Amino acid sequence: DVKVTQSSRYLVKRTGEKVFLECVQDMDHENMFWYRQDPGLGLRLIYFSYDVKMKEKGDIPEGYSVSREKKERFSLILESASTNQTSMYLCASSPRNLYEQYFGPGTRLTVT
Amino acid sequence: SQQGEEDPQALSIQEGENATMNCSYKTSINNLQWYRQNSGRGLVHLILIRSNEREKHSGRLRVTLDTSKKSSSLLITASRAADTASYFCATLRNQAGTALIFGKGTTLSVSS
Repeated sequence: DVKVTQSSRYLVKRTGEKVFLECVQDMDHENMFWYRQDPGLGLRLIYFSYDVKMKEKGDIPEGYSVSREKKERFSLILESASTNQTSMYLCASSPRNLYEQYFGPGTRLTVT
Repeated sequence: SQQGEEDPQALSIQEGENATMNCSYKTSINNLQWYRQNSGRGLVHLILIRSNEREKHSGRLRVTLDTSKKSSSLLITASRAADTASYFCATLRNQAGTALIFGKGTTLSVSS
């Protein structure tokens, strides 16, 4: 079974802190994605990556950056956390030319 | 930007009844996917239907696609309490790549 793990289920950070959200997949998938999910807004794509050291902006990249140094790991970075980044963050992966995405359990981030 | 929009936003039924959720989208598609999300968890892929298919089945799930109306429906037959979840449709963000755009979801509640 494909397994996508995220470093924390719940995280509380203070405004202005630098926050790292880690995502690891164990199925050698080329593609990895970061979404945030908010009530009434659904899932919105933040960043994605189709290969190591490659990244592309999604629909809401402002305030975020990403890092993909190894194929299995895709990190989402909040350079200076703000309260409007309080959200559920979901990581997903997929094989190169297949459309089905496999999701991690999510990280519920609260910025106070 | 939202590509898919589910309808209704919320649906409450009794065990044994059928549940139908609809998804409308705006632009032409290559395929359309449905995902399920149990409360506070990541999404799980249910089914993918290609643009040249009109209907697809998987167990108690039946998905239809009408490209002329830019709409899809997900039917869950003989619902169980365990089907209680949010259901999302997703389409490709653009013609290149596999990044997805998700709708806002339908929340299904099945009571016993």
